[in-house]
Amino acid sequence: DAKTTQPPSMDCAEGRAANLPCNHSTISGNEYVYWYRQIHSQGPQYIIHGLKNNETNEMASLIITEDRKSSTLILPHATLRDTAVYYCIVRVGIGGSNYKLTFGKGTLLTVNP
Amino acid sequence: DAGVTQSPTHLIKTRGQQVTLRCSPKSGHDTVSWYQQALGQGPQFIFQYYEEEERQRGNFPDRFSGHQFPNYSSELNVNALLLGDSALYLCASSLFDRGLSGRYFGPGTRLTVT
Repeated sequence: DAKTTQPPSMDCAEGRAANLPCNHSTISGNEYVYWYRQIHSQGPQYIIHGLKNNETNEMASLIITEDRKSSTLILPHATLRDTAVYYCIVRVGIGGSNYKLTFGKGTLLTVNP
Repeated sequence: DAGVTQSPTHLIKTRGQQVTLRCSPKSGHDTVSWYQQALGQGPQFIFQYYEEEERQRGNFPDRFSGHQFPNYSSELNVNALLLGDSALYLCASSLFDRGLSGRYFGPGTRLTVT
């Protein structure tokens, strides 16, 4: 699995966009970028994933650079409830539940009032 | 839908003892994975069960074992507990033919070894 690099922490004002970067310079052509988050005292929660095109869902947007060596998770209007550790994970394939998730330390996003 | 449930919520054990943690997957899911999360670290994969068999295993010693029952629920057993086994143990369920986006995690069991 390609390794990822994320800043250990970030701050964001409530109501503003939160942009969380992730570097994955050794990513392979068949590896997807996944984002999970973990709110304090809860299990991780899936947010979004993508291969090379930008993706958007009800939770966030994912922007992947053209060379696929980095990506940015965007929370368009951060709320206090978005305070969590955000994990960027790179993994082969989307099919088959027999793929384990390899978590790094992630980025602690603190949304301030 | 209750989602993924785990029991107990908290547990305190002494070094050398054995512990069993339990997980009930989200309704309709057939695959269970277990993760260990030490304080300040990301979750680390222990193993995965599907069709009552261990399908994949992370870098954990044989002291860590598991079981999956016909109703898809699962147990994680840890023998000869060490202080370093103190952690949050997370269970994740999914459908075997779904990808990584279909993982649902439980709230975890906090194990403290004294």
